[in-house]
Amino acid sequence: QSALTQPASVSGSPGQSITISCTGTRSDVGGFNFVSWYQQHPGKAPKLMIYDVTNRPSGISDRFSGSKSGNTASLTISGLQADDEADYFCSSFTSTSALYVFGPGTKVTVL
Amino acid sequence: QVQLVDSGGGVVQPGRSLRLSCAASGFTFTNYAMHWVRQAPGKGLEWVAVISGDGNYKNYAASVKGRFTISRDNSKNTLSLQMNSLRPDDTAVYYCSAAHDSRWHSFDHWGQGTLVTVSS
Repeated sequence: QSALTQPASVSGSPGQSITISCTGTRSDVGGFNFVSWYQQHPGKAPKLMIYDVTNRPSGISDRFSGSKSGNTASLTISGLQADDEADYFCSSFTSTSALYVFGPGTKVTVL
Repeated sequence: QVQLVDSGGGVVQPGRSLRLSCAASGFTFTNYAMHWVRQAPGKGLEWVAVISGDGNYKNYAASVKGRFTISRDNSKNTLSLQMNSLRPDDTAVYYCSAAHDSRWHSFDHWGQGTLVTVSS
């Protein structure tokens, strides 16, 4: 059982925007600005898409954006493209002994 | 460019040991904390361990503490994970990941992963 909660799946048509939520507690998402998001295509390693809630690493499209309100962080993908179809995981630093926790992942389907 | 190459996985019996390695290149190794993150087949990601750039700080997930040891050789740009007393629930793809000193709490770069199967 994951420490963070994500929807199992989200879908959208090409060009649309979708948002994936990641809900935790005051011990993780709500307590620190250390939420990151990862994209994982089947059989591949995860790829960092957003770090520290809102920041994009170099080379990541500005179609990907992150935000946070209270204990819930969100990843928004705008202008949905076929290659965005993948699993997306959120992660947060936590003040518990676990140190880092992940969500169970959200499967994004481009219709 | 940044490259992390994971190796050392395989099939091992419960209770036995295995040592994973990660060869790093394309960046200043000592400027990065290094993590191990694992993913059981068809499941999500689980953080396993972290070591600071100078090797002086280490921390572990409760599920592996006392059984796994993370280490690094900065002269060879390599990261290791010694796994002892392996259990079937340790079966997973193990990824090494690099986190820049300026932002420890995100996993910037990832290896391709190495599969560990614990089974009799």
